[in-house]
Amino acid sequence: EAQVTQNPRYLITVTGKKLTVTCSQNMNHEYMSWYRQDPGLGLRQIYYSMNVEVTDKGDVPEGYKVSRKEKRNFPLILESPSPNQTSLYFCASSSIPGSYEQYFGPGTRLTVT
Amino acid sequence: DQQVKQNSPSLSVQEGRISILNCDYTNSMFDYFLWYKKYPAEGPTFLISISSIKDKNEDGRFTVFLNKSAKHLSLHIVPSQPGDSAVYFCAASASGGSNYKLTFGKGTLLTVNP
Repeated sequence: EAQVTQNPRYLITVTGKKLTVTCSQNMNHEYMSWYRQDPGLGLRQIYYSMNVEVTDKGDVPEGYKVSRKEKRNFPLILESPSPNQTSLYFCASSSIPGSYEQYFGPGTRLTVT
Repeated sequence: DQQVKQNSPSLSVQEGRISILNCDYTNSMFDYFLWYKKYPAEGPTFLISISSIKDKNEDGRFTVFLNKSAKHLSLHIVPSQPGDSAVYFCAASASGGSNYKLTFGKGTLLTVNP
């Protein structure tokens, strides 16, 4: 089954404790992206990756890091989480060229206290 | 500055009737538009899209209309079914962009009552 998986699905942590949210896709997609969804703000792009070892900032990259060492994986790293990073996070992937129809993972609900 | 606007946070319709979800955009560079559906505890799933060279695209019960002069698009669901109850996101992109970036609206919660 074609899918994007994320782990963990739910996470409660404390300010400053480094964490990683994993994302993996089994569709051999070139493009992967991270979004956050906040009430009243819709979905906003954090980082994206056009291919292995190629990543770039989206609209709200502050406080986040990513890496793309393998095609299938695109982890999101919060080096020092803060309460304003409490949000619902989605990973997405799509094939290239030209596909705006992205496949989304199930989401990770993060709470930073 | 919100470039994609869904001004109705929620919409309630009766089963069998038409649901019309609206979306406005401000960026004239947008030339490809998509609708995504999202159920609770799941990620958004792609529903239907339209290119700016068209003014209508149909897929079964779902039709998207695009009015470029008004910078407005709408999603029509006919007939509406209880399983259509979900949050619908409008999204837009500019084909000249290099990162396949989608700009999303805030979403509209559709409730279809049996």
